[in-house]
Amino acid sequence: DTAVSQTPKYLVTQMGNDKSIKCEQNLGHDTMYWYKQDSKKFLKIMFSYNNKELIINETVPNRFSPKSPDKAHLNLHINSLELGDSAVYFCASSQGDWSPLHFGNGTRLTVT
Amino acid sequence: DQQVKQNSPSLSVQEGRISILNCDYTNSMFDYFLWYKKYPAEGPTFLISISSIKDKNEDGRFTVFLNKSAKHLSLHIVPSQPGDSAVYFCAAYPQGAQKLVFGQGTRLTINP
Repeated sequence: DTAVSQTPKYLVTQMGNDKSIKCEQNLGHDTMYWYKQDSKKFLKIMFSYNNKELIINETVPNRFSPKSPDKAHLNLHINSLELGDSAVYFCASSQGDWSPLHFGNGTRLTVT
Repeated sequence: DQQVKQNSPSLSVQEGRISILNCDYTNSMFDYFLWYKKYPAEGPTFLISISSIKDKNEDGRFTVFLNKSAKHLSLHIVPSQPGDSAVYFCAAYPQGAQKLVFGQGTRLTINP
């Protein structure tokens, strides 16, 4: 009965590869997010979708492409992975209107 | 451009005493403030929030204080318990933007 689940939990890959992270929420929320926690532990927003539509796109390289097939899913595809992409990626959802975010347990991506 | 700052990377408190975690912000247009707690290998979980129209909000052992003139908020935990040992993130919603901005976190350790 996990509220926000993301897979995989760990992802180790080589530079130049393409990888995807999947996220699903069963809370019935309209808004979903991707956040990145870097090596300095800052949590920074990357993207936000409301009911399948992109509403926030921070200055993220276009190698990162989110896709929301429906409002319960928000996947993140990363092309041509670079060393600097190594981080923990968190998916989250909220009811919108400045309500609290509910986070998944994160995907630790390591690019070698 | 770190708009939400937690200047203490770590804090150690004896069990049963009060823990006080601090957070400063630079943008007076922040509207709504939240505290999150994070255990290792898990996502952040929402703890307590406060609107900019209030100066205090209490929920059980947790109280958040907001000082708008000083652009400062704090989280008080009393009495502190071993299970409170975690990383605590302060976060804020800017006016008109559904984009939660996080501080860098403070690691709280409760000693028996």
